[in-house]
Amino acid sequence: GNSVTQMEGPVTLSEEAFLTINCTYTATGYPSLFWYVQYPGEGLQLLLKATKADDKGSNKGFEATYRKETTSFHLEKGSVQVSDSAVYFCALTSPTGNQFYFGTGTSLTVIP
Amino acid sequence: DADVTQTPRNRITKTGKRIMLECSQTKGHDRMYWYRQDPGLGLQLIYYSFDVKDINKGEISDGYSVSRQAQAKFSLSLESAIPNQTALYFCATSDKNGTGYNEQFFGPGTRLTVL
Repeated sequence: GNSVTQMEGPVTLSEEAFLTINCTYTATGYPSLFWYVQYPGEGLQLLLKATKADDKGSNKGFEATYRKETTSFHLEKGSVQVSDSAVYFCALTSPTGNQFYFGTGTSLTVIP
Repeated sequence: DADVTQTPRNRITKTGKRIMLECSQTKGHDRMYWYRQDPGLGLQLIYYSFDVKDINKGEISDGYSVSRQAQAKFSLSLESAIPNQTALYFCATSDKNGTGYNEQFFGPGTRLTVL
């Protein structure tokens, strides 16, 4: 079956620190992979995506690389800001796009 | 204007009451979804619909029903609400083939409390 496992939080970092949030997946075939971000009181927003092996998704200073050999899609940012405080969800969709599978979310707090 | 809207944004109700949550979208997408979010559990799929005549159960459909009134409208009903249905509910849409990425677009959520 399909599933996503991401590191548990909460994660607390100082401003300008390096961020890594781990995400691994189990899937049949070749899924598309996503990172979504949820700011307080809001719905989920797409942060970045990758559709095939070795693709790198990037947005707002965040990056993640689709690693088929390790079935991973880790989220990284070189220097976090207070405004990055949010909950981050890793997700995948089957090749047909019929269903999405979400991780449990990782809460990030960035302190000044 | 928001592309995916949900009403109401907040609702408090009592055990046994019937309640409907509504979702509308202006994105022109064929696919619509209902999720619930509980702390520490991420998102769980309740129902999804790929067009007006297509309704499918998700992983936690018991106690819920849906209606796809039009391409742009997808409502979720709790026939007899119970306290463990207290959660944050999200509607989402996705395109059938357009971008090829099948990403989902989410509404702002409805916070439901069942007393």
